[in-house]
Amino acid sequence: NAGVTQTPKFRVLKTGQSMTLLCAQDMNHEYMYWYRQDPGMGLRLIHYSVGEGTTAKGEVPDGYNVSRLKKQNFLLGLESAAPSQTSVYFCASRPQGSIYNEQFFGPGTRLTVL
Amino acid sequence: AQKVTQAQTEISVVEKEDVTLDCVYETRDTTYYLFWYKQPPSGELVFLIRRNSFDEQNEISGRYSWNFQKSTSSFNFTITASQVVDSAVYFCALGAQGGSEKLVFGKGTKLTVNP
Repeated sequence: NAGVTQTPKFRVLKTGQSMTLLCAQDMNHEYMYWYRQDPGMGLRLIHYSVGEGTTAKGEVPDGYNVSRLKKQNFLLGLESAAPSQTSVYFCASRPQGSIYNEQFFGPGTRLTVL
Repeated sequence: AQKVTQAQTEISVVEKEDVTLDCVYETRDTTYYLFWYKQPPSGELVFLIRRNSFDEQNEISGRYSWNFQKSTSSFNFTITASQVVDSAVYFCALGAQGGSEKLVFGKGTKLTVNP
């Protein structure tokens, strides 16, 4: 099993450009999450999904959109990138049931917006 | 609202020293869960431990130990005889039962273990 994978690993964008980050998991997990990590800020939740076809806003959703068309994939979109979106993005997934179930994280995507 | 505070931004120790990373949490839920994750310099997030609010028993795993005290809302992490490979950022996280499917993370503590 590959676990949680993220594509791409690195990306540089210019202000105003758009892009989509792909998260894929092969563990048949129901829940998936997108976080961003900034220096001194820890991990902050952007959006999450509790199942195929569902999405919900997290702590810092502005400027991002998400889709969960397939259970195994969770896409994070930036329609018009801004320098404030320069960050490391992590995807995570966990099984259905209690939040006690451990979240498994992907390796991260480092995004720079110039 | 849930909140996790890791007051120690950075800690630097010399190899073989013991070090404790503090985690203080706030929640109104009676059922909740606490986690520790490690982020080594390579960047990935590694799960270390989880604890539910009904289990205050301390846990030891090799050189790692965790002290959960509901009375002080703390879930502290101690590394005994630290090693250079312990250098990482450590995150404490809180999740609550009952509709909220999210974890709230602290800002992390960067631990540097010097040889």
